[in-house]
Amino acid sequence: QSVLTQPPSVSGAPGQRVTISCTGSGSNIGAGHDVHWYQQLPRTAPKLLIYGNSNRPSGVPDRFSGSKSGTSASLAITGLQAEDEADYYCQSYDSSLSGVLFGGGTKLTVL
Amino acid sequence: QVQLVESGGGVVQPGRSLRLSCAASGFTFSRFAMHWVRQAPGKGLEWVAIVWSDGSHKYYADSVKGRFTISRDSSKNTLYLQMNSLRAEDTAVYYCARDPPPSDDYGDYSLDYWGQGTLVTVSS
Repeated sequence: QSVLTQPPSVSGAPGQRVTISCTGSGSNIGAGHDVHWYQQLPRTAPKLLIYGNSNRPSGVPDRFSGSKSGTSASLAITGLQAEDEADYYCQSYDSSLSGVLFGGGTKLTVL
Repeated sequence: QVQLVESGGGVVQPGRSLRLSCAASGFTFSRFAMHWVRQAPGKGLEWVAIVWSDGSHKYYADSVKGRFTISRDSSKNTLYLQMNSLRAEDTAVYYCARDPPPSDDYGDYSLDYWGQGTLVTVSS
């Protein structure tokens, strides 16, 4: 059971906006540790999508955005495209575990 | 360009050992902390271990502590994961990933490049 909680699935039609939540606790997100987001397309390695809560690596479209507040974080995807269908994971660091944590992952379906 | 190439996976019996390697190229290996992350079939990502850029500190997930050892050889630009006393629940694709230094301003413990993974199957 992940200490970072994500919804198992979300869906949206092309062009719509969806958000994926990531809920942590006072020893990880709430302790001020950064939240990062990864996209994993089918049968491929994860790819860094958002780092440091809200920053996009070079090459990631601005349709993807991240935010963080308190013990939670969110990934928003606007203008949904078929190619966005993938699994999305949040990740942070936990001070009490002295280790990295991943959320359980959210499967995005583009209807 | 940055490349991380894992090797060493395969089928192994419970209780046996296996060593994974991750060959790094296209960047200054000694500047980056390195991680192992695994993914069981059909499951999510699970962090396994980290080694600091200078090799001075190593940390492990509770699920592998005492059985797995992460190490690095900067002269060979290679990361390793020694896995002992393997169990069926260790069956997974194992990824290596790099973690930029604070000076690169990527936040704490972000994994900016990943290898393609190597499959470890623990079965009798």
